[in-house]
Amino acid sequence: EDQVTQSPEALRLQEGESSSLNCSYTVSGLRGLFWYRQDPGKGPEFLFTLYSAGEEKEKERLKATLTKKESFLHITAPKPEDSATYLCALLPIGGATNKLIFGTGTLLAVQP
Amino acid sequence: GAGVSQSPRYKVAKRGQDVALRCDPISGHVSLFWYQQALGQGPEFLTYFQNEAQLDKSGLPSDRFFAERPEGSVSTLKIQRTQQEDSAVYLCASSLGGMGGYTFGSGTRLTVV
Repeated sequence: EDQVTQSPEALRLQEGESSSLNCSYTVSGLRGLFWYRQDPGKGPEFLFTLYSAGEEKEKERLKATLTKKESFLHITAPKPEDSATYLCALLPIGGATNKLIFGTGTLLAVQP
Repeated sequence: GAGVSQSPRYKVAKRGQDVALRCDPISGHVSLFWYQQALGQGPEFLTYFQNEAQLDKSGLPSDRFFAERPEGSVSTLKIQRTQQEDSAVYLCASSLGGMGGYTFGSGTRLTVV
């Protein structure tokens, strides 16, 4: 069964304190792995798509990496405005619907 | 419009009442998805449309849930005889098609009392 597990459930950082969020997955075949950011009361906002092991993508203070079993979202020198829930989602091979399988998210709080 | 618009933003329904949730996708977006998000959980897939065709409704929890997109643009998710367990945020997302970062709306928070 295709599955996504995110850790930790919650993370509290001081401003400037770098860290990583983990997304472990099991899937029969991977078409893509997605990272989203979700603010309270809003829908998820797209950050990155990774397609194959070894791939990396960056956007401002965020960098996403992918291996055959997990993905990391590295946050360098975070600021309070980076506080949000970060969601990881799988797009498995097979099926015609492009439906994403989401993890439960990591709630990040960055304190000034 | 510039983004995916959902209405209403909040809905309180008495148990047993029928509700209808609306989604206006980005103009020209072929694919439209409905997801259900419980508090503290990730979104869970409900159903998928490609234009007006509902290609996958495997995530709908029961036959009380029904979705339509008759003209391939606006979509409505209808829940009949609402139950307390239906309380959640209902998210709509659209995309041009294929893979990629779907654009989500802000959701409708449904509370069944």
